[in-house]
Amino acid sequence: AQTVTQSQPEMSVQEAETVTLSCTYDTSESNYYLFWYKQPPSRQMILVIRQEAYKQQNATENRFSVNFQKAAKSFSLKISDSQLGDTAMYFCAFMKNSGYALNFGKGTSLLVTP
Amino acid sequence: GAGVSQSPRYKVAKRGQDVALRCDPISGHVSLFWYQQALGQGPEFLTYFQNEAQLDKSGLPSDRFFAERPEGSVSTLKIQRTQKEDSAVYLCASSRTGFSPDYGYTFGSGTRLTVV
Repeated sequence: AQTVTQSQPEMSVQEAETVTLSCTYDTSESNYYLFWYKQPPSRQMILVIRQEAYKQQNATENRFSVNFQKAAKSFSLKISDSQLGDTAMYFCAFMKNSGYALNFGKGTSLLVTP
Repeated sequence: GAGVSQSPRYKVAKRGQDVALRCDPISGHVSLFWYQQALGQGPEFLTYFQNEAQLDKSGLPSDRFFAERPEGSVSTLKIQRTQKEDSAVYLCASSRTGFSPDYGYTFGSGTRLTVV
C-alpha cells in the first residue's frame, strides 16, 4: 500500500513571498504519478500540478513548481509570488501508473496574508 | 454540464436514517469516482465506475454503503442506517477516459453529510 505524508498541518506566508509545502510518500512501485491538489472553502479539489515519476525534470505551472526527489521519495510544492487567492488546503496525492485511485495525504492549510 | 455537479450540498441526517447523494458528472465522461473526506483528513477512495460498470468498490467502508450508475451517467451513493462516523464530505470526480493520470479528474464540490 502507498502512504502519503504531509508533515506541515498549517503554513502561513505573506503576499508576494515564496512558500514550500512538503510531501513524502512510500511505495514499492517504480513508476507512478504525483499530484498537488488545492481545496478552497468551496470544497472542490483543483489540480495544481502533476509529476510523472519517470520524468526527471521537475514540473512547473506558472507560479507553481515541484522539487521531485525520487530516491528520497519526496515531492515538495513551491509557490512563488504568493497571492491571497492561494489561501486553501493543499493535498499531495499518489497514483500508481496502472491505477486510477488517488491516495491523498492529510493536507496542509496555507494562509496567505496581506 | 460544464462541471461535476453534486447534490445536495449539505445533508443532515438523524442516526439510523437512509440518505442518497447524487453526482452528475461531465457529459460524456466515462469514469466516475466517489471519495469520502472526513474532517481534517484527505479524501479516501470509495468506489470507481467505468460507464455503468462498478469496477472497484473496495473502499466502501461497510455493506451499508451502496453506489450505482445505472445508465452510465448520473451516480447515486446511498448510505443505509447512517451512523455518526459516516459524517464527512463525499466528493465525486469524473474523467474522460478509464485510466486518467494524463487527463486528470474533475471534482465536484461535494456533499457535506452530518449525522446527528
